[in-house]
Amino acid sequence: VQLQQSGPGLVKPSQTLSLTCAISGDSVSTERAGWSWIRQSPRRGLEWLGRTYYRSKWNTDYAESAKSRITIKPDTSKNQVSLQLNSVTPDDTAIYYCARTRGTGLFDYWGQGTLVIVSS
Amino acid sequence: DIQMTQSPSSLSASVGDRVTITCQASQDISNNLNWYQQKPGKAPRLLIYDATDLETGVPIRFRGSGSGTDFTFTIFSLQPDDFAVYYCQQYDSLPYTFGPGTKVDIK
Repeated sequence: VQLQQSGPGLVKPSQTLSLTCAISGDSVSTERAGWSWIRQSPRRGLEWLGRTYYRSKWNTDYAESAKSRITIKPDTSKNQVSLQLNSVTPDDTAIYYCARTRGTGLFDYWGQGTLVIVSS
Repeated sequence: DIQMTQSPSSLSASVGDRVTITCQASQDISNNLNWYQQKPGKAPRLLIYDATDLETGVPIRFRGSGSGTDFTFTIFSLQPDDFAVYYCQQYDSLPYTFGPGTKVDIK
């Protein structure tokens, strides 16, 4: 399994952060795992943002801290998962990771990480 | 949210030493705990899941124990490749949360 992240490394305040995670070696629609976004910053440490997973239908869960601003969506045609975070502030500056979520909550494969800086 | 604490925040050790890190959850999480290793510039790597189970391919010198609120992570005979930051993570309830990390560096 390999996860390849892409997206801009610089976003202006109040704009939308958009990242994608291309999956190889597994299917975004697998019913044996899910797909999470996690970020890491010196101030917040490792912070789980949310996940999407398929169990007869698509499901998503978000951390309350980001719920009003975040969208995680699968793209079955491209076998990838995306993250959108709206109305960003400098506090959203972090390394963002996608990760496969095996079972009920372990992250066994990670993307390479994308440093996103929020600055004008 | 379940809060995770770790101690110590950092430690210095020598190759061959036994290293022990503790992780405490703010409420009972049964055995729903994982341990990760992170090296500079890299994503975390899963080492231990379900508090005690070794992930495939992980050396047996890594061991996890505990349940409920108190957990221990041990490296038996520290190797040069083990100098890194170690994190615990609970998955008993959403949101998944991580400990602040323990940095293991060379004495």
